Amino acid sequence: GENVEQHPSTLSVQEGDSAVIKCTYSDSASNYFPWYKQELGKRPQLIIDIRSNVGEKKDQRIAVTLNKTAKHFSLHITETQPEDSAVYFCAATMNSGGSNYKLTFGKGTLLTVNP
Amino acid sequence: NAGVTQTPKFQVLKTGQSMTLQCAQDMNHEYMSWYRQDPGMGLRLIHYSVGAGITDQGEVPNGYNVSRSTTEDFPLRLLSAAPSQTSVYFCASSYPNTGELFFGEGSRLTVL
Repeated sequence: GENVEQHPSTLSVQEGDSAVIKCTYSDSASNYFPWYKQELGKRPQLIIDIRSNVGEKKDQRIAVTLNKTAKHFSLHITETQPEDSAVYFCAATMNSGGSNYKLTFGKGTLLTVNP
Repeated sequence: NAGVTQTPKFQVLKTGQSMTLQCAQDMNHEYMSWYRQDPGMGLRLIHYSVGAGITDQGEVPNGYNVSRSTTEDFPLRLLSAAPSQTSVYFCASSYPNTGELFFGEGSRLTVL
């Protein structure tokens, strides 16, 4: 089955700095890579995703890059703000015919943005 | 839309007791799943269903049963609770042709 490794497990940055979280996956057939944000005591929520036919995707201060050859993908947050503080999870799956029902998650990164 | 609703939010069980975590969604999603979240372990898939009458095992299915008699409901049953099942449980659903999982608020279970 798929195995997703996520680093670092904790990350502390100053407000305004950039944050980068990296993930590697094992199954070369995986083609869908979402990122979820979980605030303390809340449910995980999708913040951005990327499919294997795209190398990079941006949404305001958030971007995700994918290197299929190396089987790794990264989340980049620029101009960090205190409200970006949360646990971030990467995930991977083989999305067949649109179905994504076997997402494998990384173990999470606790991001702390210091004012 | 209420989205994905889980009950109960908190539960304490004794070892050997059984219980059912309820999950309901009102978005007509075909896909539903149960994850457990443990500190430092991320989210691990327990069971999933791609439609009414169809279920399958995920990464950590032992000790849990599921059924899917309707599109809306996907209950998770603990047959004989063990301390190792102390965790936060999340139900999630999605349309089959999109990527986004919609999670419930979670159910915190403690087994003594």
